[in-house]
Amino acid sequence: DAKTTQPTSMDCAEGRAANLPCNHSTISGNEYVYWYRQIHSQGPQYIIHGLKNNETNEMASLIITEDRKSSTLILPHATLRDTAVYYCIVRPNTDKLIFGTGTRLQVFP
Amino acid sequence: SQTIHQWPATLVQPVGSPLSLECTVEGTSNPNLYWYRQAAGRGLQLLFYSVGIGQISSEVPQNLSASRPQDRQFILSSKKLLLSDSGFYLCAWSVPGTVNTEAFFGQGTRLTVV
Repeated sequence: DAKTTQPTSMDCAEGRAANLPCNHSTISGNEYVYWYRQIHSQGPQYIIHGLKNNETNEMASLIITEDRKSSTLILPHATLRDTAVYYCIVRPNTDKLIFGTGTRLQVFP
Repeated sequence: SQTIHQWPATLVQPVGSPLSLECTVEGTSNPNLYWYRQAAGRGLQLLFYSVGIGQISSEVPQNLSASRPQDRQFILSSKKLLLSDSGFYLCAWSVPGTVNTEAFFGQGTRLTVV
């Protein structure tokens, strides 16, 4: 079973920051938080991952709370192409990626 | 660089017919390999997971099987398809032995069983 909880859907205006929350209250100390997104009819695309420090790359920023029980993915300037389903995943030592139902982000003009 | 190939992109098969979907990975050795399925409007369900040749872990009981005849080849099969086997099938790979790397997905096969 997925170990994360995400809102079913969110809207964001184009050009504004999209903040996608994720709860993972049962995360273990050596488990990483991964974010993927899936644009319709395509394979999932890796976005970012982190253990306990905040992370940033060319696509997004990942903010992990100090107790690691929740995190937020930030798309700083959302575009229409960012419309997708975003998955927050806690990755166990067995190396398997278990997807939940994700958040459907709709970016509107 | 590493690449993953999955084919065919789309497939329409009658109920009761066999199935064979193939996935190959290039540019890496001994990858972890995965098969996922996504039913219409649903999330991704992990079907099979392999850490080496002949080593297959089945995550859910179903009408499907998987094989890994070569290090970088992963095959999803069925002897007799059911209507409920329709969906979007995705193959993925990751570097073994670590959780600190991402998994890479193929472009998927959309299977419609009629």
